[in-house]
Amino acid sequence: DGGITQSPKYLFRKEGQNVTLSCEQNLNHDAMYWYRQDPGQGLRLIYYSQIVNDFQKGDIAEGYSVSREKKESFPLTVTSAQKNPTAFYLCASGIAGALSEEQFFGPGTRLTVL
Amino acid sequence: GIQVEQSPPDLILQEGANSTLRCNFSDSVNNLQWFHQNPWGQLINLFYIPSGTKQNGGLSATTVATERYSLLYISSSQTTDSGVYFCAVASNNNDMRFGAGTRLTVKP
Repeated sequence: DGGITQSPKYLFRKEGQNVTLSCEQNLNHDAMYWYRQDPGQGLRLIYYSQIVNDFQKGDIAEGYSVSREKKESFPLTVTSAQKNPTAFYLCASGIAGALSEEQFFGPGTRLTVL
Repeated sequence: GIQVEQSPPDLILQEGANSTLRCNFSDSVNNLQWFHQNPWGQLINLFYIPSGTKQNGGLSATTVATERYSLLYISSSQTTDSGVYFCAVASNNNDMRFGAGTRLTVKP
């Protein structure tokens, strides 16, 4: 089936540890995105990538890092520098190259820092 | 950046009722999407509608880009329609901005 997968679904981390969230898509989309959602709020953009080996910061990139070595994969690392990492993280993908594109979302990863 | 406001923030309906959700945005956009977030957090694409009108089952949406708003109509609501509805917009750089959402509860 075509789609976007995220793993793990739930993740617990001790304060001070780095953790990497996985996002994979087989939709052949060029663009991929990471968003953060806090309770009762909308989504905020962390990082996005329009093409392999290139990515751009979103509104809240501090304390996060990404890589885009393959078209299908866009992992997000939450570093110890992120002051309030407990949140719901959503990955999305879309067709790049146009001024507007529809984005499709994965099921999300809930990160809790203990 | 673009500001997105959704109204109402909360809405309670009796099953079978109709409702209209509104999304106002502060600048011209090339992309507007409506999503439904289910209780497990999954964002489900409802409409990709930067302009015009679309319909899908009991849902329809209209975007009036020149007046910077979009409306989502829910007709004959069902309990499965409960959840949070998000409007998201983007301009030329595709930096998608989300509203705070409308939390809909449909009671049997």
